[in-house]
Amino acid sequence: QKEVEQNSGPLSVPEGAIASLNCTYSDRGSQSFFWYRQYSGKSPELIMSIYSNGDKEDGRFTAQLNKASQYVSLLIRDSQPSDSATYLCAVPRGSTLGRLYFGRGTQLTVWP
Amino acid sequence: GAGVSQSPRYKVAKRGQDVALRCDPISGHVSLFWYQQALGQGPEFLTYFQNEAQLDKSGLPSDRFFAERPEGSVSTLKIQRTQQEDSAVYLCASSLGGTAAGELFFGEGSRLTVL
Repeated sequence: QKEVEQNSGPLSVPEGAIASLNCTYSDRGSQSFFWYRQYSGKSPELIMSIYSNGDKEDGRFTAQLNKASQYVSLLIRDSQPSDSATYLCAVPRGSTLGRLYFGRGTQLTVWP
Repeated sequence: GAGVSQSPRYKVAKRGQDVALRCDPISGHVSLFWYQQALGQGPEFLTYFQNEAQLDKSGLPSDRFFAERPEGSVSTLKIQRTQQEDSAVYLCASSLGGTAAGELFFGEGSRLTVL
């Protein structure tokens, strides 16, 4: 089992819909979790971090963490065409927080 | 500068050539990371610096890869005797460190193509 697993998609949703992106991780001791967005040909950009069980909301984005199930998700409400990108889930490797395992990413397309 | 700056943005090398990729992190960021990203994959960790100290180089794929950050700011990733499998985007990232260490700010990357 890979350290971080994501459905590679592609995921396609209409404008205004909710996009749901999922990620599972293998290290039960992981304490912090990150979602990065990567536009085609660009570098990853941090959009959400979550450190405790439950939901964390930031504008149209909600991250959900369930440590018992080793599952973290990202919901994008009122999806816009500008949200079309690859979303990368990342989990620290060991004690160095910036040393991250990244998933392969889920490619999201929001069509008008 | 306001963000992480990398150069060159694009590099084409003939197999066997040496290349050097430069990263200028956000001012004040003590932690600096190098990642490698192949097409269609997530970034893969290469190495980590805290100030000038290279604390983790476990991700470097071979002894042809070498990184340094001599004064705790600008970093250089050097690849000797490049091979075709080295073709990838090399991403540099910096962070404040501490509890925010996982919140990485990436540069635009250096795309290396080895012919």
